[in-house]
Amino acid sequence: SQTIHQWPATLVQPVGSPLSLECTVEGTSNPNLYWYRQAAGRGLQLLFYSVGIGQISSEVPQNLSASRPQDRQFILSSKKLLLSDSGFYLCAWSAQTSSSGNTIYFGEGSWLTVV
Amino acid sequence: RKEVEQDPGPFNVPEGATVAFNCTYSNSASQSFFWYRQDCRKEPKLLMSVYSSGNEDGRFTAQLNRASQYISLLIRDSKLSDSATYLCVVNPIQAGTALIFGKGTTLSVSS
Repeated sequence: SQTIHQWPATLVQPVGSPLSLECTVEGTSNPNLYWYRQAAGRGLQLLFYSVGIGQISSEVPQNLSASRPQDRQFILSSKKLLLSDSGFYLCAWSAQTSSSGNTIYFGEGSWLTVV
Repeated sequence: RKEVEQDPGPFNVPEGATVAFNCTYSNSASQSFFWYRQDCRKEPKLLMSVYSSGNEDGRFTAQLNRASQYISLLIRDSKLSDSATYLCVVNPIQAGTALIFGKGTTLSVSS
């Protein structure tokens, strides 16, 4: 069966510090991968999605970046965090084929507090 | 008009009650629809897909009205464990792009 893991689960970072969140998927090949953010009291905001290695689409302008160095690995990074980057970050995957209607499965999430 | 709109609630109901949530979407070409459940400080989890003919999974019934561009979720015989936020999710095209999430409707079931 497919599983998705992301880490770290929680982190507190000072403003201006770098960020790296990592996500891996197991049990499937060539998945679509996503990074979402959920700020307090707000809905899920798509940050990045990837349909293959090295292929990253950015949905919103920001000081975050994403990379996909391997088929089942997705990394969210920042060189300098802002207070507004605080939130709940979720990695997710879906199958490439449309047979499942693009059902999306989330990792456990990473709580980021920028202080 | 927002892409996916939901009443944020909260809906406060007693155990055993029947409760219904609606969700509207703006893109008439949307192809697939889902309800996700999110517990406090947890990741969203798929509750059920929504099919054109409507579908049922135990106490949960989902329906789609393409003409009016809304989907609904009905929960019968509410349990305490149903307390959560329910997210309406729409796939704007058939494949290859990300889903669009509503902000969620909060349900609180009390004894």
